[in-house]
Amino acid sequence: DVKVTQSSRYLVKRTGEKVFLECVQDMDHENMFWYRQDPGLGLRLIYFSYDVKMKEKGDIPEGYSVSREKKERFSLILESASTNQTSMYLCASSLRDGNQPQHFGDGTRLSIL
Amino acid sequence: AQTVTQSQPEMSVQEAETVTLSCTYDTSENNYYLFWYKQPPSRQMILVIRQEAYKQQNATENRFSVNFQKAAKSFSLKISDSQLGDTAMYFCAFMKHKSYDKVIFGPGTSLSVIP
Repeated sequence: DVKVTQSSRYLVKRTGEKVFLECVQDMDHENMFWYRQDPGLGLRLIYFSYDVKMKEKGDIPEGYSVSREKKERFSLILESASTNQTSMYLCASSLRDGNQPQHFGDGTRLSIL
Repeated sequence: AQTVTQSQPEMSVQEAETVTLSCTYDTSENNYYLFWYKQPPSRQMILVIRQEAYKQQNATENRFSVNFQKAAKSFSLKISDSQLGDTAMYFCAFMKHKSYDKVIFGPGTSLSVIP
């Protein structure tokens, strides 16, 4: 089974801090994704990556950056955390073949105080 | 731009009954994929069922089936013999037929199965 592991289930940070969310997958997937999930809004794509060192902006990239130095790891960075970034963050991965579904991690519930 | 709409924010169903969750989407593409994902409370999101747009036959997975109406851009999920473990958020999702593209998710439907 594919395993997508997010480093923290719950995280509390302060406004202005630099925050790192880590995601690792163990199935050699080319594509990796970061979403935020908010009630009534579903999942909104922040960034995605289809190869090492490649990244593409999603629908809501402002205030975020990403890093993909290795194929299995995709990091989401909040450069200067703000309270409106309090949310559930989901990481996902998939094979490059467009027919393949995404596999999700357990999510990180991030609170910015 | 593609959009996915789920018009039912919340639904409930009695255990062992059948329930249908609605999903509509908007696209000018001819080839694409549609998915239903399930997210149980405090648990991981998992794929329930998927449909390729070029296939006319509706996909089925055990108690889960879809009614895919391409012309109407409708993709509903039917859950038969509902079980308590079906209680979850259900997300409808769309993806163009390209490798380097993103999935568009609907806002979700919260389904509660009542004993």
